[in-house]
Amino acid sequence: TQLLEQSPQFLSIQEGENLTVYCNSSSVFSSLQWYRQEPGEGPVLLVTVVTGGEVKKLKRLTFQFGDARKDSSLHITAAQPGDTGLYLCAGYGTGTASKLTFGTGTRLQVTL
Amino acid sequence: DAGITQSPRHKVTETGTPVTLRCHQTENHRYMYWYRQDPGHGLRLIHYSYGVKDTDKGEVSDGYSVSRSKTEDFLLTLESATSSQTSVYFCAITALGEQYFGPGTRLTVT
Repeated sequence: TQLLEQSPQFLSIQEGENLTVYCNSSSVFSSLQWYRQEPGEGPVLLVTVVTGGEVKKLKRLTFQFGDARKDSSLHITAAQPGDTGLYLCAGYGTGTASKLTFGTGTRLQVTL
Repeated sequence: DAGITQSPRHKVTETGTPVTLRCHQTENHRYMYWYRQDPGHGLRLIHYSYGVKDTDKGEVSDGYSVSRSKTEDFLLTLESATSSQTSVYFCAITALGEQYFGPGTRLTVT
């Protein structure tokens, strides 16, 4: 069973602060995705990273895939209240192209 | 929006009763999934389907069964609901390696 552990579980910060969320595993993933989920809705895909060491930027969000493809991070610069939500990482294991393993989630609250 | 709807959106049922949740998609996607979401566990896969009448178990399949008689519909049945099955259930489809989720069904078993 492949597991993805996210840290921290909860994060409460003020507008304008920077933060990093981590997604770690002992298993290798062929690709890794990040989702954001708002209350009462399903998760929405933010990004997919495929290559070890890959960095992708989405406005103020920077996503990195570890060199060994076992971990990933999400960095948010100058957080805004609109960034509030549950962030989930998810990975396709090698040889399991049809099933995603989801991380435990990081709940982010950004206040004014 | 990948044209995914779930019904019902909310349900309260009693322990021991059967419950069926429905997922409907309008875009002919081959793969469909049922997840449950509980605090501290992220999303856990219950069952998935890779075509009509083709289904397989996920990591938390005990107490659940599924059926897919048409491409557009994927049904999740709790044969005899228990309080541990109180959860939010999400249906998803995969398109080009990306998963798109329905709005969820909040199920409470009393």
